Amino acid sequence: KAGVTQTPRYLIKTRGQQVTLSCSPISGHRSVSWYQQTPGQGLQFLFEYFSETQRNKGNFPGRFSGRQFSNSRSEMNVSTLELGDSALYLCASSFRVTIGSGANVLTFGAGSRLTVL
Amino acid sequence: DAKTTQPTSMDCAEGRAANLPCNHSTISGNEYVYWYRQIHSQGPQYIIHGLKNNETNEMASLIITEDRKSSTLILPHATLRDTAVYYCIVRGFYGGSQGNLIFGKGTKLSVKP
Repeated sequence: KAGVTQTPRYLIKTRGQQVTLSCSPISGHRSVSWYQQTPGQGLQFLFEYFSETQRNKGNFPGRFSGRQFSNSRSEMNVSTLELGDSALYLCASSFRVTIGSGANVLTFGAGSRLTVL
Repeated sequence: DAKTTQPTSMDCAEGRAANLPCNHSTISGNEYVYWYRQIHSQGPQYIIHGLKNNETNEMASLIITEDRKSSTLILPHATLRDTAVYYCIVRGFYGGSQGNLIFGKGTKLSVKP
């Protein structure tokens, strides 16, 4: 069973540019979450999508956006890049996202490492 | 979600059991305890989770105290490949977003030969 696939794995951009990162979840998983990891702030939640709808959003500026397609694949976009956006961006997928009992296990991808110069 | 407290770092000798503690004194009845680990520069990896009872899988064991205010992750025979940052996370199964996990700073486990 294929895992969570993130592309590209590495990329370098300059300040002011924009970037789009892609995430393909595990087959059958309908929920996709995005996280940013930096040495100073650790792992921070960006947003979560389920059935093409954003279900929750972390405390990030509007420059950070995302979307989910009908096949559950997701993309996130960062516009007007700043030096502080240099980070490892992680995508995670899970099967359940609804109200009710039961645990919800996230499977993470290897991440996309963004360097902003 | 309840806050968790973990030691910043721990050492363990290769082949010995690694016991990683986590305090979650404000945990509520509908919150699970999850453990993830992150090996350097990789995505976090799910290890195990539990609600009330002790749990065991092929990777580890999870011991939850009777009052559920603390837990211990046990790696029975640590290897060098178990060197990683281990995160203890408490998350409820009630509504809304389930993909929002709050990762603290975790415990950096160093397994030494």
